[in-house]
Order: sequence, then C-alpha cells, then structure tokens
Amino acid sequence: TQLLEQSPQFLSIQEGENLTVYCNSSSVFSSLQWYRQEPGEGPVLLVTVVTGGEVKKLKRLTFQFGDARKDSSLHITAAQPGDTGLYLCAGERGSQGNLIFGKGTKLSVKP
Amino acid sequence: GAGVSQTPSNKVTEKGKYVELRCDPISGHTALYWYRQSLGQGPEFLIYFQGTGAADDSGLPNDRFFAVRPEGSVSTLKIQRTERGDSAVYLCASSLNSGSLGEQFFGPGTRLTVL
Repeated sequence: TQLLEQSPQFLSIQEGENLTVYCNSSSVFSSLQWYRQEPGEGPVLLVTVVTGGEVKKLKRLTFQFGDARKDSSLHITAAQPGDTGLYLCAGERGSQGNLIFGKGTKLSVKP
Repeated sequence: GAGVSQTPSNKVTEKGKYVELRCDPISGHTALYWYRQSLGQGPEFLIYFQGTGAADDSGLPNDRFFAVRPEGSVSTLKIQRTERGDSAVYLCASSLNSGSLGEQFFGPGTRLTVL
C-alpha cells in the first residue's frame, strides 16, 4: 500500500518565521502534488513536481522533490497570516490521476 | 468562470437512511473524481469517471456506495443504509483530461453527518 506521511501534523508560528513541511513515502511516485485547503473549501493545487531533485518556487514557497522521488518538502519563507491553512501532499496512484493524499499539516501563522 | 459545485453543502441524516450527493463539474471536463475526507485526514479516493463510465471504483468502501454519471457531466454519489462511520466531507473534483498531471479542481464538498 502506498502511503504518504506528512510532518509535522500541526505547526503554529509567528508571522515572519520560516518553516518546512515534509512528505515522505516508502514508495516511488511518478509525481507529487502539493495542495492548500481552507476550512469549508476543497483543496487547491499549488504545484506539481515530476523530476527527481526538482525544485520549484512559487513566490515565498519552495517545493522540492527528492532524488529518489519518494519524498518532498515545502518551505515557506517569512510566513504570513494568509498562509494559514491545511497543506496536503498527494501522489498519483496508477496512471488515471487518482490521488493518494497524506494527512496534511495544519499551519497557523499568528500576526 | 464557474468552478465545481456540490449540493447540498450539508446533509444530516439518520442511521439507515439513503442519501444522494450531487456534483456539477466544470463544463467540458471529462474526468470526475469522488473523494471522502474524514476529520483530521487527507482526502481518500473513492471512484473515478472518464465520461459516463466508472473507470476505477476500487476506492468505494463497500456495496452500500454507488455513483453514476449518466450523461458524462453531473455525477451523483449514492449511499444506502447509512452508518455513523460514513460521516465525512465528500469531495468531488473534475479534470479536463484524465491521467498524469491533469490538474484536478475540487468542489467545496458536502459535509455528511449520520446521527
């Protein structure tokens, strides 16, 4: 069974701090996706990483895919209250787009 | 443009009752996915449609769960003889095409509570 383990499960920080969220698996994934979900809404795609070792930047967010394509990380620089939310990583199961999600990291950024 | 919509937004039912949850995908999206998200968990895959057919229903937990998409657009997830353990947020997502890297757009979900 392919599983994605995310850590930490909860993270509460002050505005301006940096943070890193991890997504690990014992299985190889063809791609990994990161989503952000706010209460009462569905997840929204932030980025897809495909190539081992790939690094993608989205403003203050930096995503990295591990060389072996089993793990990924999300780093946020100078966090802001608007970054508050549930961050989910997801890997593709098969080739039809069905996604396996981690449990998520619940981030709270206090002003 | 209109995103994925789901109705109702909230559904409260009693144990043993039948419920239907509706998903309106983005117009033109051929792929449609249903997921279930329990409290404190990430979404869990249930079923995937390509057009009108269920291409993968391996995530449905048992035969009380069934989904249809008769005209390749709107989909309905049907749950018979509901149990308290079915309480969760049911998410629908659609994608322009199926397969790798096709971005899935999620609806806001239907929160199902079984008393």
